Amino acid sequence: GAVVSQHPSRVICKSGTSVKIECRSLDFQATTMFWYRQFPKKSLMLMATSNEGSKATYEQGVEKDKFLINHASLTLSTLTVTSAHPEDSSFYICSARAMGQGTSNTEAFFGQGTRLTVV
Amino acid sequence: DAKTTQPPSMDCAEGRAANLPCNHSTISGNEYVYWYRQIHSQGPQYIIHGLKNNETNEMASLIITEDRKSSTLILPHATLRDTAVYYCIVRVESSGYALNFGKGTSLLVTP
Repeated sequence: GAVVSQHPSRVICKSGTSVKIECRSLDFQATTMFWYRQFPKKSLMLMATSNEGSKATYEQGVEKDKFLINHASLTLSTLTVTSAHPEDSSFYICSARAMGQGTSNTEAFFGQGTRLTVV
Repeated sequence: DAKTTQPPSMDCAEGRAANLPCNHSTISGNEYVYWYRQIHSQGPQYIIHGLKNNETNEMASLIITEDRKSSTLILPHATLRDTAVYYCIVRVESSGYALNFGKGTSLLVTP
């Protein structure tokens, strides 16, 4: 199956600093990537939808100036958590859909996730 | 996307079949049933999906009732590595929207 690589898998940062998380589709082109956040013992919550070459669409309650998303190419989307605070500590997961994906194969492919701890 | 209901947790003995139910009574005619699982501290993994016919692949079987209001994911010979949270999601195939994850079923496979 298609591979989505997320980096880093784990990061610890100081409060007030920024952290960038990368999501790459390794063997397909992704016109759309999704960013999720998951708190302990909770389900995945969609943060934003990232479309290549255009601005991301954020879910209600997600601050676009705090969670900067860039999808500059068909294989890379980045999420930058700016001025991180301890309450931003969470598991961040990206997902990608392939370009031209029609009715024949529509499962979403997920990265392995990034565990962010803000101290 | 139609709402789904799953039991919060289930246990299964290693080597036995794990049958995970899902209710989706408000499913519409063009919505598919998808199953994903998430092993602890990993991203979700696609398992299987179907519309109305039963489906089988190398990972699992999906049984959908005739009225499509419920379905069952079957792991025929559960192993310890199948311990995970299993999510049943109903959506239109080829939709460009993100998956809407509910709470899922936490499956514990015991030795």
